[in-house]
Amino acid sequence: SQKIEQNSEALNIQEGKTATLTCNYTNYSPAYLQWYRQDPGRGPVFLLLIRENEKEKRKERLKVTFDTTLKQSLFHITASQPADSATYLCALMKTSYDKVIFGPGTSLSVIP
Amino acid sequence: DTGVSQDPRHKITKRGQNVTFRCDPISEHNRLYWYRQTLGQGPEFLTYFQNEAQLEKSRLLSDRFSAERPKGSFSTLEIQRTEQGDSAMYLCASSRTADYEQYFGPGTRLTVT
Repeated sequence: SQKIEQNSEALNIQEGKTATLTCNYTNYSPAYLQWYRQDPGRGPVFLLLIRENEKEKRKERLKVTFDTTLKQSLFHITASQPADSATYLCALMKTSYDKVIFGPGTSLSVIP
Repeated sequence: DTGVSQDPRHKITKRGQNVTFRCDPISEHNRLYWYRQTLGQGPEFLTYFQNEAQLEKSRLLSDRFSAERPKGSFSTLEIQRTEQGDSAMYLCASSRTADYEQYFGPGTRLTVT
């Protein structure tokens, strides 16, 4: 069955450092991979989408890579700030008309 | 506020009772999704609509769950004969067709006692 795994442990990093979050998937061939941010008690908020034919995507301090051979995406936050502390969710879609499947999320804490 | 809204925000019910949640999507969005989320997990897909048509329903969803989207506008999710295992956050999201970004509502937190 389809499975999405993200960093199993919460990630704690020092302010100013780069946070790197991992998303691995099995038994799935997504055409699109998304990253969302979720704060406690709130719905997820879309951050970035990357297509299977794209290796890398950037938006301000965020960078996403997508390796369809390794079945892995890496999500980087550079110059991290305490306000970046949240849970980050990886989400996959087979096609633009397909449902979205979410991973379990990784909790990130940026320590001042 | 032109975002996705959900009502109620919190619902406490006794086991065996029926509950209904409402979601109002962003007005120009054709697609509407329902998810369930428990603590420490990502949102779990339940069902989704393209306009008023229900395109897919999760195999994990028992017959106690039903969703509607009359006239392709707001949607309701009903849970019949609630069980303690139904306690979760129920999230609604909407998007434009073939537009990948989903906009989520604040969720309805259900507690079944």
